[in-house]
Amino acid sequence: GAVVSQHPSWVICKSGTSVKIECRSLDFQATTMFWYRQFPKQSLMLMATSNEGSKATYEQGVEKDKFLINHASLTLSTLTVTSAHPEDSSFYICSARGQSTDTQYFGPGTRLTVL
Amino acid sequence: AQSVTQPDIHITVSEGASLELRCNYSYGATPYLFWYVQSPGQGLQLLLKYFSGDTLVQGIKGFEAEFKRSQSSFNLRKPSVHWSDAAEYFCAVGARGNAGKSTFGDGTTLTVKP
Repeated sequence: GAVVSQHPSWVICKSGTSVKIECRSLDFQATTMFWYRQFPKQSLMLMATSNEGSKATYEQGVEKDKFLINHASLTLSTLTVTSAHPEDSSFYICSARGQSTDTQYFGPGTRLTVL
Repeated sequence: AQSVTQPDIHITVSEGASLELRCNYSYGATPYLFWYVQSPGQGLQLLLKYFSGDTLVQGIKGFEAEFKRSQSSFNLRKPSVHWSDAAEYFCAVGARGNAGKSTFGDGTTLTVKP
């Protein structure tokens, strides 16, 4: 149980384009989803917290207009990187938490490369 | 504010030897504590967690961790390391009642020698 998937697992795009990453909880309802960014050999940096049906809460320094997060259902959250630039290249990981637990379950991550 | 320190950036152990990965946290009350493992290019897998109760927590893959309030520590241990344990290990502290937000340490890279 408690499986979280991400799609795509990797994506390469041109500078200036937008990329959408999906995060799905496959066998539980995720009232809260988290989006992280991880640079090579570094730890996870929390970007934002999203609760189903409400606006995401962004961490300090994260541009909400650049990283659009939508949590439209209890099993799906999306992160859209708008007008991507090479510095946005990174490993993006989502996690999901159910209503009755304080444990996060992580997706396998999405490798974004912006050329 | 909560924070996590993993003092060891890189640890190398021989296969079959015991392992201890250190984790120190800073939090104003009793925290939620987690250990995760990450293989290259993969997401994080939860090894074990501490919320309350018994301070010695058993996890998957033969790992255990002990919560020591007096030392603000939550060290991860394994009595006999296998080559497949080579990976990145992250300790995390979560705030109670704060929508489950966790703060992660910088990670410890474990190398296992044959």
